[in-house]
Amino acid sequence: DSGVTQTPKHLITATGQRVTLRCSPRSGDLSVYWYQQSLDQGLQFLIQYYNGEERAKGNILERFSAQQFPDLHSELNLSSLELGDSALYFCASSDSGRPTDTQYFGPGTRLTVL
Amino acid sequence: GENVEQHPSTLSVQEGDSAVIKCTYSDSASNYFPWYKQELGKGPQLIIDIRSNVGEKKDQRIAVTLNKTAKHFSLHITETQPEDSAVYFCAGGGRGSNYKLTFGKGTLLTVNP
Repeated sequence: DSGVTQTPKHLITATGQRVTLRCSPRSGDLSVYWYQQSLDQGLQFLIQYYNGEERAKGNILERFSAQQFPDLHSELNLSSLELGDSALYFCASSDSGRPTDTQYFGPGTRLTVL
Repeated sequence: GENVEQHPSTLSVQEGDSAVIKCTYSDSASNYFPWYKQELGKGPQLIIDIRSNVGEKKDQRIAVTLNKTAKHFSLHITETQPEDSAVYFCAGGGRGSNYKLTFGKGTLLTVNP
């Protein structure tokens, strides 16, 4: 158990809908990362937050947004969902958000868009 | 940006044999190279990492080597066991990577009893 929690574990929804994925980092970690994992694209970095502020952005679509709250939990919002958004979404956390920090991954949320 | 290539995509070995997975990276400024193991239904878990100021690091049956000149690094697992069966990911990043880790596409390792 990495100490990172993600909810829900599974999410099934329809095209055009909006969903929110939630992540709680390990106790003491200030930085949160979001990744998308699909069979064809592998593990893709989406976005990183450090202590409430956006620190780095990857291949995140404009339909997707995220935020980190004062209690350090984070939410990833996915809107206008398409079939191709079906994937595993992982959250990871690290203590200081430096590029060389160890990132601890949560168990993931499996999103299925029908 | 950084590009990480990983080979092979699948690897099957007999229990007790060694397994080697290789990765190359493109950004010479990268200085941090972690390896993650992902079991079915779980998130990736860090198993070992190496920074560019060292050429090799060992942890029991696992070792990683780094060749900065050639820009490649490898994971070596000795005396493999069935519980080593999983998907292994390499990643590169750190200095110059704009705070991003770039992951390889993964290697499915199967250890046959």
